[in-house]
Amino acid sequence: DGGITQSPKYLFRKEGQNVTLSCEQNLNHDAMYWYRQDPGQGLRLIYYSQIVNDFQKGDIAEGYSVSREKKESFPLTVTSAQKNPTAFYLCASSAGQGPEQYFGPGTRLTVT
Amino acid sequence: EDQVTQSPEALRLQEGESSSLNCSYTVSGLRGLFWYRQDPGKGPEFLFTLYSAGEEKEKERLKATLTKKESFLHITAPKPEDSATYLCAVRQGGYQKVTFGTGTKLQVIP
Repeated sequence: DGGITQSPKYLFRKEGQNVTLSCEQNLNHDAMYWYRQDPGQGLRLIYYSQIVNDFQKGDIAEGYSVSREKKESFPLTVTSAQKNPTAFYLCASSAGQGPEQYFGPGTRLTVT
Repeated sequence: EDQVTQSPEALRLQEGESSSLNCSYTVSGLRGLFWYRQDPGKGPEFLFTLYSAGEEKEKERLKATLTKKESFLHITAPKPEDSATYLCAVRQGGYQKVTFGTGTKLQVIP
């Protein structure tokens, strides 16, 4: 089955620690995205990548970093510089410009 | 500022009671409007893409329509399993970025 996987489903960290969220897709999509979802707010774009070895900042990139070394993988690191890291993180992919995005199941990160 | 506004925020329907959800947008160069369904604690599930005014798409009890300023998601004779949050999103011309609305939380009562 083609799709997007995110791991882990739940993640708990202490303040001051960096944490990396995994996102893998086997849809052969060129573009991948990371969003953050908070209660009462629309999805907000953190980073996106249109092609391997290239990525751009989204609307709320501060305190986050990404890499795109393989077409299938787009890991997100939440650094200690992110002031409010507790949130539901969603990874998505699309076939390129224009088409719809397909989402993974999400990772809920709690930082205390 | 580009905006996507969904209304109502929450909607409670009796099973079989048809209704519509609204998504209004103020973006320039619309390159696509998307509807998603999101269940609690899960990622959004793609439903429809609409590209031009007058376009309609249907899937089971759902029908999405598009005008130059808004889109409607019509739900005909809903069932309890249709309960979810429905998200609308628009893609702007020339960008990969997509702007999401805050969603309509639909509850269908048996």
